[in-house]
Amino acid sequence: DTAVSQTPKYLVTQMGNDKSIKCEQNLGHDTMYWYKQDSKKFLKIMFSYNNKELIINETVPNRFSPKSPDKAHLNLHINSLELGDSAVYFCASSQAGWSNYGYTFGSGTRLTVV
Amino acid sequence: AQKITQTQPGMFVQEKEAVTLDCTYDTSDPSYGLFWYKQPSSGEMIFLIYQGSYDQQNATEGRYSLNFQKARKSANLVISASQLGDSAMYFCAMREGAYNFNKFYFGSGTKLNVKP
Repeated sequence: DTAVSQTPKYLVTQMGNDKSIKCEQNLGHDTMYWYKQDSKKFLKIMFSYNNKELIINETVPNRFSPKSPDKAHLNLHINSLELGDSAVYFCASSQAGWSNYGYTFGSGTRLTVV
Repeated sequence: AQKITQTQPGMFVQEKEAVTLDCTYDTSDPSYGLFWYKQPSSGEMIFLIYQGSYDQQNATEGRYSLNFQKARKSANLVISASQLGDSAMYFCAMREGAYNFNKFYFGSGTKLNVKP
């Protein structure tokens, strides 16, 4: 059983399109996140949700909108895609409270905007 | 200032030897957690080891140990008896505050190549 699953794994799309990436976790965790990994492998947080409530919203263009229908799901919708959005997007989850396991990551979605 | 600094973009190690990957961090919060993750070429992020700011002893997990020097604000990862499968990117990360919903900061990573 995959603990944090993201779909799709690869996404190639044209500039200006709108796309969504889905994320689901079956670990019973309270908190879910989206991270972006750029071409230099740098990981930066975009959003986090705790029990469906947005708690971290970094300086991200408002073309990016997260949606959490329940605490097991956190989807990322991107409007009007730009070349600079090309990256690997990771979903992750964790227990909200103290934990020594940090995040459990999904396998990533490689987005390529052409 | 960067929260997490990894100064070694790439490293080579001979199979079966030990290797140390450097990590320094910057925080004024007395409560924090330090993590190491491995990212193989397949792309997934794999949790390796954790050290809490109040932990007295260095963390160990199998062949991984974390050399925690609080006064120096360093949290180096030591991999003993390197294996070919250890070739990957390694990321140091810090959680400021006691709780996991606090933001994690990641370093820029170190690419480790294990030579046969």
